[in-house]
Amino acid sequence: DTGVSQNPRHKITKRGQNVTFRCDPISEHNRLYWYRQTLGQGPEFLTYFQNEAQLEKSRLLSDRFSAERPKGSFSTLEIQRTEQGDSAMYLCASSPENTEAFFGQGTRLTVV
Amino acid sequence: GQQLNQSPQSMFIQEGEDVSMNCTSSSIFNTWLWYKQEPGEGPVLLIALYKAGELTSNGRLTAQFGITRKDSFLNISASIPSDVGIYFCAGLSLNFGNEKLTFGTGTRLTIIP
Repeated sequence: DTGVSQNPRHKITKRGQNVTFRCDPISEHNRLYWYRQTLGQGPEFLTYFQNEAQLEKSRLLSDRFSAERPKGSFSTLEIQRTEQGDSAMYLCASSPENTEAFFGQGTRLTVV
Repeated sequence: GQQLNQSPQSMFIQEGEDVSMNCTSSSIFNTWLWYKQEPGEGPVLLIALYKAGELTSNGRLTAQFGITRKDSFLNISASIPSDVGIYFCAGLSLNFGNEKLTFGTGTRLTIIP
């Protein structure tokens, strides 16, 4: 296993378009997290899954954001009607339950 | 969202010097993690701490889980050029409904040639 994989690495989109990111966690890690990071800041929590169940969502996650993990393996994060303020690095991490989390390389989103 | 207080914000040191940084929180955590991040990449896990008072080393890195469970420290000895990057602490709570990593604001390490 090569670690957490995120696709795409970079995405440029026009304001108002929808985008979808994918995260493939380390196999057998039942916990999967999504974070957002803007320049000069630490990662900020968006949501996490325990297997296929979405257990917590941050207030940062507006109704334009939705995340799924349909079979408890890979996850997708969709942003609808993108805004310039959505420009950020979107990070995915996975962990065995309640232990250290391993991050992917991130998807950098630029909304123009 | 909440972020932990990390200091210093930035450090400029010469190669070979030792580095110390710390992270404080108003909340108790069950696990402290330290990550390093380089430009355009995701954070890479350096050290994990699971018990109050625990002192753990990973090569030239040493980290401690504070006795109060509200702080943690990271030391890097004999710094080398590849240590350059941003170091983040992260705390993990095990309280149901709050089981997520909360990150610090980061310490940017620069090595002066």
